[in-house]
Amino acid sequence: AQRVTQPEKLLSVFKGAPVELKCNYSYSGSPELFWYVQYSRQRLQLLLRHISRESIKGFTADLNKGETSFHLKKPFAQEEDSAMYYCALGTSDKLIFGTGTRLQVFP
Amino acid sequence: GAVVSQHPSRVICKSGTSVKIECRSLDFQATTMFWYRQFPKKSLMLMATSNEGSKATYEQGVEKDKFLINHASLTLSTLTVTSAHPEDSSFYICSADTSGLQSSYEQYFGPGTRLTVT
Repeated sequence: AQRVTQPEKLLSVFKGAPVELKCNYSYSGSPELFWYVQYSRQRLQLLLRHISRESIKGFTADLNKGETSFHLKKPFAQEEDSAMYYCALGTSDKLIFGTGTRLQVFP
Repeated sequence: GAVVSQHPSRVICKSGTSVKIECRSLDFQATTMFWYRQFPKKSLMLMATSNEGSKATYEQGVEKDKFLINHASLTLSTLTVTSAHPEDSSFYICSADTSGLQSSYEQYFGPGTRLTVT
């Protein structure tokens, strides 16, 4: 079955604290994993993808095929990081989204 | 670049009426557009894939006669919710494929349309 699981609905941290948003996937093929972010009152936008192995806004995510995970990490959270984060799995013809994790960063 | 717009941003309609939502790619041509539905506290659910000049491909469980999709041009796809009912109230989001290779990855999202059926 093709599935993306984000176990945490809400993650609250203080500014400057490390952040890890968990994502696990189930897919029989070769996975393409993405993180999308939706800031308050804004559209969904691509944050990063595993194939580019880049760091965007201080966020990184490493694909771990053994653990079927693609956790999103940031060493020092900022207030402007508060948003809804969706992990997504790209199959041959569509994106499958997780249920999302709301990140709240308190000052 | 790669801006996708949706119109209207918010619509309220009476039960039994139909409502049309437009999705436009403003600065690029999109051979493929996707329509999603976002439930409160739930995930984004792909409803259908819209290909310019051909019939849309609907996901399992999505009624094609209820959610009519038309992709008449490379910059416009429309979703018409026919005979709307309160349970159709939701947030509908479209995205457009920029890759031109029918890849599911290069997608840019519209701002969404909030539909409320009374």
